Parts: sequence; C-alpha cells; structure tokens
Amino acid sequence: GAGVSQSPSNKVTEKGKDVELRCDPISGHTALYWYRQSLGQGLEFLIYFQGNSAPDKSGLPSDRFSAERTGGSVSTLTIQRTQQEDSAVYLCASSPRHRSQETQYFGPGTRLLVL
Amino acid sequence: AQKITQTQPGMFVQEKEAVTLDCTYDTSDPSYGLFWYKQPSSGEMIFLIYQGSYDQQNATEGRYSLNFQKARKSANLVISASQLGDSAMYFCAMREISGSARQLTFGSGTQLTVLP
Repeated sequence: GAGVSQSPSNKVTEKGKDVELRCDPISGHTALYWYRQSLGQGLEFLIYFQGNSAPDKSGLPSDRFSAERTGGSVSTLTIQRTQQEDSAVYLCASSPRHRSQETQYFGPGTRLLVL
Repeated sequence: AQKITQTQPGMFVQEKEAVTLDCTYDTSDPSYGLFWYKQPSSGEMIFLIYQGSYDQQNATEGRYSLNFQKARKSANLVISASQLGDSAMYFCAMREISGSARQLTFGSGTQLTVLP
C-alpha cells in the first residue's frame, strides 16, 4: 500500500513568511508524528497526534510552530514568521496503534530553506 | 531522561564484509523498544529492525541483526555481507513504553560507506 506522503518536497521561503507543510499518513494509522532534522543532525521531535486525543506539543520549539490534524488523517505543520534557523528537513511519521513498540514509518520529508 | 549515543560518526567497510554499528542508550524505564533506521542520501528514513527490552532473543531481519546486551545498555546493529547500497546514514532510536513519552529519541547517527 501507499506509504506516508509529504508535500511539498522542497520549499524555499523568505524570512518572515509563513509556511505550511502537509503530511498524509498511511491509511488506518492512528498515530502521527512530526520531527525536524537539521543539517547533519539526528531527528528532533516536534509534535504527536493520537486519534482524537489532544496532541502532545512538548517538542515545538516556539509558539511560531503549530500543527493540526483534520479528520484523524492529514496533518499540516505551520511555521509563522519563519526564521533562518527554521531551515531543516521536516519529517512526518505514522504508526498503526498507540503503543510504544509500534514501528513509526516515515515520509520522504519536506526540505525547508529560509532565506 | 532518555539518551541515545552513537560514537562512530563514520564507518568504512569493504563490500561483502560484515560491519557493526554501535549504539548505547540510557533509560530508567524497564520497558522500552529500540529501533534502527537507515537514511540514504535521498533522505527518507527506512525502518530496519526492532528489539523490545523484554525480548529473549536478539532480533534479526535478513542481513540485519541486533546485538542486544541489556546489562550494558547497548544495541549494536550488525550488517552482514555488506552491499554498495548499504552506504547511508544509520540511526539508533529508543522509545519508552511505561512512560508518557510517545516519540522516538534518536542518536546522532553513523555514516556508513561501503567500499567496492
């Protein structure tokens, strides 16, 4: 079946602009995660959604970052007033159940460059 | 607090030989899961193998095996019969099961280069 998809694959924006990144999880997966990977670094957790529960926003670096998940499926990560330090690859992952041992499957990522 | 340490920023291996990528972890949670992911230059994170803290046997998936030493808190990835396509960044990750955290915590990665 189809894997996790993300759009756009690449985004170049000017400092101060808002950007929206989209994630389509694997069909039937109830858990969805956003991570950020800066150049040459490991992955940094941003936010987690599970079903209709309130999201875990503990990883969001500032209030310029927000995310929503509509209908328990597609998710959008929004970065307002982008800064150059926001430049990174934003990865989305989904897993089938809310159990810690469930494998997270990642999308191809969105490469964001803030000029 | 969770912590994953990968001490090898880069590794080289000759094609067809085996290679071990090191990973140590730190957690106070008795129940946890350990994962290895491969990230080729295309950027996508590819799941390789999983080991649960209570699993009695070391996990294996094809040419991948996990050398799990619980007392030493290490979960090294062994790749047998290396292929050129194995050249990539490899990340070790952990997720606690008992605690409230749901996300994966990743190490800094090891860049593996397979030489022809």
